Amino acid sequence: NAGVTQTPKFQVLKTGQSMTLQCAQDMNHEYMSWYRQDPGMGLRLIHYSVGAGITDQGEVPNGYNVSRSTTEDFPLRLLSAAPSQTSVYFCASSYSATGAISSYEQYFGPGTRLTVT
Amino acid sequence: GQNIDQPTEMTATEGAIVQINCTYQTSGFNGLFWYQQHAGEAPTFLSYNVLDGLEEKGRFSSFLSRSKGYSYLLLKELQMKDSASYLCAVDNYGQNFVFGPGTRLSVLP
Repeated sequence: NAGVTQTPKFQVLKTGQSMTLQCAQDMNHEYMSWYRQDPGMGLRLIHYSVGAGITDQGEVPNGYNVSRSTTEDFPLRLLSAAPSQTSVYFCASSYSATGAISSYEQYFGPGTRLTVT
Repeated sequence: GQNIDQPTEMTATEGAIVQINCTYQTSGFNGLFWYQQHAGEAPTFLSYNVLDGLEEKGRFSSFLSRSKGYSYLLLKELQMKDSASYLCAVDNYGQNFVFGPGTRLSVLP
């Protein structure tokens, strides 16, 4: 059971390049999400998904796209990288985020450190 | 809107007790989480509160007051390995989670 995996661990891009950050989980979790973490600002939600085929925007979605074709995978695409997207990106999954009775903790991947020059 | 506040930094001595506060104002509420994050690593789950009161788990306890929009994390018998950031997060019942800025705790010998 690998939990949540992310690739790559480190990436350097030039302004204007595009790339995809990969995220996969093997816990059969419905809910998956992408965050970016910048110094002093905590974790900010980029996009999230409550199940295969369903995605929605979070707090800071501009410049990023996502898709959820399977339960396991939730890739994050940077369309045209900008220096403002230099950050640490975390993918997370949870059994569910919509439970009326209870909520569930998120499991985080190890993160991707992205630098845009 | 969504707003979660935590102190930026705290310092405590090994063996002591420290309380990290979190206040929140969110559009919905389905529970409050605390996560621990060591430098350069991913956050890991510590506790979850949905009802008012204290939840105890070993050296760590978490308290919630829904009417006051307030929670705290209590760490007892501090150890050097407790030096980390502590993140407060609210499930706002809108299918997503809102995180506070985190409190960086330094434990001194």
